[in-house]
Amino acid sequence: KAGVTQTPRYLIKTRGQQVTLSCSPISGHRSVSWYQQTPGQGLQFLFEYFSETQRNKGNFPGRFSGRQFSNSRSEMNVSTLELGDSALYLCASSVPSNPGQFFGPGTRLTVL
Amino acid sequence: AQSVTQLGSHVSVSEGALVLLRCNYSSSVPPYLFWYVQYPNQGLQLLLKYTSAATLVKGINGFEAEFKKSETSFHLTKPSAHMSDAAEYFCAVSEGGATNKLIFGTGTLLAVQP
Repeated sequence: KAGVTQTPRYLIKTRGQQVTLSCSPISGHRSVSWYQQTPGQGLQFLFEYFSETQRNKGNFPGRFSGRQFSNSRSEMNVSTLELGDSALYLCASSVPSNPGQFFGPGTRLTVL
Repeated sequence: AQSVTQLGSHVSVSEGALVLLRCNYSSSVPPYLFWYVQYPNQGLQLLLKYTSAATLVKGINGFEAEFKKSETSFHLTKPSAHMSDAAEYFCAVSEGGATNKLIFGTGTLLAVQP
């Protein structure tokens, strides 16, 4: 089985722009979660989607949003980028019957 | 709220020595517990997980962890360190149920000296 894939792997944007990151989960996995990883804050949960519905959300401003499609692929969007949004964004997929998430390689976002 | 504490942000061992990475959780009910490893410029790889089936959990690459409810601990061990074990290790907790949300510790960077 192919693992979780994320595109793009690297992204450079400037302040004020918006960005969309994509995640394709492992085949058969209907739950997708997103995390932000920074040296200062560590790994922080952004949101979780299951069957196209957001069922959990972390403590991030409304500039961070996401969605999930009927094929379980997910996108997250960050609008009005700030310097502090520079981070590694990780996507993870899972199935309800098997606790534990499988992570993709991440998208490294740099905001200049 | 759930939380995880990893003692020691940096641990250094010699090749062949015992690896012990510490993790304590705060939860009033037995949670799901996980250890992940992250190599530079990569995502997280699941090493092992505790889901209440057995208190001693064996994972990949020779790692294992023991769930101790009385100590609220889930320490990760490996009898003999290898150079390839050098990486960052994260302990995580999940409430389970209707969410897969993970709460991570701050990570422990393991260095293996030749």
